[in-house]
Amino acid sequence: DTEVTQTPKHLVMGMTNKKSLKCEQHMGHRAMYWYKQKAKKPPELMFVYSYEKLSINESVPSRFSPECPNSSLLNLHLHALQPEDSALYLCASSQKENREAFFGQGTRLTVV
Amino acid sequence: QKEVEQDPGPLSVPEGAIVSLNCTYSNSAFQYFMWYRQYSRKGPELLMYTYSSGNKEDGRFTAQVDKSSKYISLFIRDSQPSDSATYLCAMSASGGSYIPTFGRGTSLIVHP
Repeated sequence: DTEVTQTPKHLVMGMTNKKSLKCEQHMGHRAMYWYKQKAKKPPELMFVYSYEKLSINESVPSRFSPECPNSSLLNLHLHALQPEDSALYLCASSQKENREAFFGQGTRLTVV
Repeated sequence: QKEVEQDPGPLSVPEGAIVSLNCTYSNSAFQYFMWYRQYSRKGPELLMYTYSSGNKEDGRFTAQVDKSSKYISLFIRDSQPSDSATYLCAMSASGGSYIPTFGRGTSLIVHP
């Protein structure tokens, strides 16, 4: 099973809302990632968790807050987003940080 | 100079053609090489990965790595309209928290 599951698939939220994106994998991977992808651009790294600890934060604004409750789950809490934050948010996992990653299908987020 | 260079295309070919997709890189520490396929509005799908120079074949796909030239290729034989997608290369170094670096992706169109 090489599946990374993300929910929800689509999300529309207002600038004052609080919402969360969820990601789950059961491959025993110890590295999990959040990426942001705009149209016709490659994925842009946001956060990396390694062994359930935050190892990389790519200077992401505090309105994005990651959480790793256990080795299979990864959340991204959203608060007071801006319209320019509208994008495809991708979760990925890998055995280790420098190894090939498996991506979920993403959450398409629209901020209105 | 970016660490990973990839021509964005689009590359348009007739059905049945052999497709060659390429990336060049500047970091000689890169040892792990990956190719992803991404359909519109979906997450990237890991197609192939290799940890060494030379060729790796999987069905209609062949990945080739030339470390001396810092050049990697993905060949698609007997291309199909269903191969129409964006192809992203990614690569990383061994050891430490070396997260894979992505190319910008090449848009491939296979027309019937």
